[in-house]
Amino acid sequence: DTAVSQTPKYLVTQMGNDKSIKCEQNLGHDTMYWYKQDSKKFLKIMFSYNNKELIINETVPNRFSPKSPDKAHLNLHINSLELGDSAVYFCASSQDVGAGNYEQYFGPGTRLTVT
Amino acid sequence: SQKIEQNSEALNIQEGKTATLTCNYTNYSPAYLQWYRQDPGRGPVFLLLIRENEKEKRKERLKVTFDTTLKQSLFHITASQPADSATYLCALALGAGNMLTFGGGTRLMVKP
Repeated sequence: DTAVSQTPKYLVTQMGNDKSIKCEQNLGHDTMYWYKQDSKKFLKIMFSYNNKELIINETVPNRFSPKSPDKAHLNLHINSLELGDSAVYFCASSQDVGAGNYEQYFGPGTRLTVT
Repeated sequence: SQKIEQNSEALNIQEGKTATLTCNYTNYSPAYLQWYRQDPGRGPVFLLLIRENEKEKRKERLKVTFDTTLKQSLFHITASQPADSATYLCALALGAGNMLTFGGGTRLMVKP
């Protein structure tokens, strides 16, 4: 059984388009996240979300927005895609945010290529 | 600014030897530190978490130390195997909302 799943696995699109990536977790976790891993393999947090609060990394452009229809899903919407958005995007979940004392479970990633 | 540093150069070792990876951080005093493994084309997988009041933690062939004075964590894999070849990431809760910040990772290559 897949704990954290993402769709699609690959996404190729043109500049200026709007796209979404879906994420689902079946672990019953309260907190979900989106990360971006660039070509240099740096993994950077974009958002942290639970049923109480959305925390946004201040470096994330407002073209990116997470949407959570329910506790098990956190989708990532990206408007007006730019070349620099090309990266691998990972969804993750954890029992809670805590103070870094909860392990995170990651999805398989979505490779986004903007042409 | 807060920073987490891992050796960006790949670590090449012979099978059976102990691999030691380093994670250094500055300008922060985290209560917890985590280590993850990432294989090519896959998401990171959690390995170990160590608390600031724990000097050492073990799990099978893995051992993590946490020196809050040196602001450093060491990650050891004993009796390394080719299957241990991967990128290893350390992570700390920094900044707003205690979101995890990851180091750049160290690629480990274990040669048979």
